[in-house]
Amino acid sequence: LAKTTQPISMDSYEGQEVNITCSHNNIATNDYITWYQQFPSQGPRFIIQGYKTKVTNEVASLFIPADRKSSTLSLPRVSLSDTAVYYCLVAETGAGSYQLTFGKGTKLSVIP
Amino acid sequence: EPEVTQTPSHQVTQMGQEVILRCVPISNHLYFYWYRQILGQKVEFLVSFYNNEISEKSEIFDDQFSVERPDGSNFTLKIRSTKLEDSAMYFCASSGGSSNQPQHFGDGTRLSIL
Repeated sequence: LAKTTQPISMDSYEGQEVNITCSHNNIATNDYITWYQQFPSQGPRFIIQGYKTKVTNEVASLFIPADRKSSTLSLPRVSLSDTAVYYCLVAETGAGSYQLTFGKGTKLSVIP
Repeated sequence: EPEVTQTPSHQVTQMGQEVILRCVPISNHLYFYWYRQILGQKVEFLVSFYNNEISEKSEIFDDQFSVERPDGSNFTLKIRSTKLEDSAMYFCASSGGSSNQPQHFGDGTRLSIL
């Protein structure tokens, strides 16, 4: 299972764009990159998943360079409610059943 | 939007007792999982379940634990002879039948062993 490295914490002001970068140097060919958000006392909530290049949905964008050894989660115009822990995970999601290995994540604090 | 639901939200049990944590996965999902998170620590994988059998389990998931899908909607985690160190949040997750489907998590059951 590929190991990921991401900053322990980040601070941002409301309305700014936040970019959280994750390193996964040992990512395997069949691994996908998935980001989750977790609020205290709640389960992880799926944000976005991608394999290469760029993926965008209604809440975030995910940028993955050609070598796939890193990825960047971009949150546009954050609000106070985006204060949470963000996890970057890599897993062979195409295998049907797969286990997710969570790290410590990035604790994002949005400041008014 | 369909979601994974877990009951109870909080379970308090005496050490040595058995507990059953219940989950209703998203209805058309085929893969089911249990994770746990000890307070202040990382989310840890326990077990995955597919086609009425365990497909993968971690070293945490020893003989004290068992999982079952007793009917078409529920997915349960049983913990026998609970210990103080079993106190944690337990999260159920499910994922769809096609490949590259993300796992969706419930909001967990907080298990407190006294």
